[in-house]
Amino acid sequence: EAGVTQFPSHSVIEKGQTVTLRCDPISGHDNLYWYRRVMGKEIKFLLHFVKESKQDESGMPNNRFLAERTGGTYSTLKVQPAELEDSGVYFCASRPDRTTAEAFFGQGTRLTVV
Amino acid sequence: QKEVEQNSGPLSVPEGAIASLNCTYSDRGSQSFFWYRQYSGKSPELIMFIYSNGDKEDGRFTAQLNKASQYVSLLIRDSQPSDSATYLCAVSGGSYIPTFGRGTSLIVHP
Repeated sequence: EAGVTQFPSHSVIEKGQTVTLRCDPISGHDNLYWYRRVMGKEIKFLLHFVKESKQDESGMPNNRFLAERTGGTYSTLKVQPAELEDSGVYFCASRPDRTTAEAFFGQGTRLTVV
Repeated sequence: QKEVEQNSGPLSVPEGAIASLNCTYSDRGSQSFFWYRQYSGKSPELIMFIYSNGDKEDGRFTAQLNKASQYVSLLIRDSQPSDSATYLCAVSGGSYIPTFGRGTSLIVHP
């Protein structure tokens, strides 16, 4: 069974540009999470989808970040326009259902804004 | 604000020793507790989870939970150099959204 996959693995963009990150959760997992880890800090929650609905987006830093999960399958996280402080590793995780607390992580996308 | 605290380390132990990793959390309503292992440049990998007070053993790993003290730990017996990694403590409540600590770097030297 395929795990959580993220694309791209690395992205280097200039300040002011737009970047879109993609996450494909484990098939059948209703719950999808985006997290971010900036240098030297802990992994921080960004938002949570249940199927196609945003269940909790309290961790989104500002309105330059837009997440979507059309059809309840893969998700995208768009940053527009990117700022230097957006640099970090963006992780996606998925979890099957309400009875299971364990989440499984993708390999992350390392975003560098220069 | 929910917080999960870990000593960033590095914790250095000799091969074959017991490594003890500790974590405290602030939210008394927390229900699920996880330990993830993350090798450099890789994704966090779930290695242990515990829901009830006490100990839970899985191979060389033992998770210990004390809800009264808001404390969870991970013991690694017979540590191997391949155990060298960052260990992330994560805690979640009813929403099942894990909150992570900064991680403890473990170095097991031959």
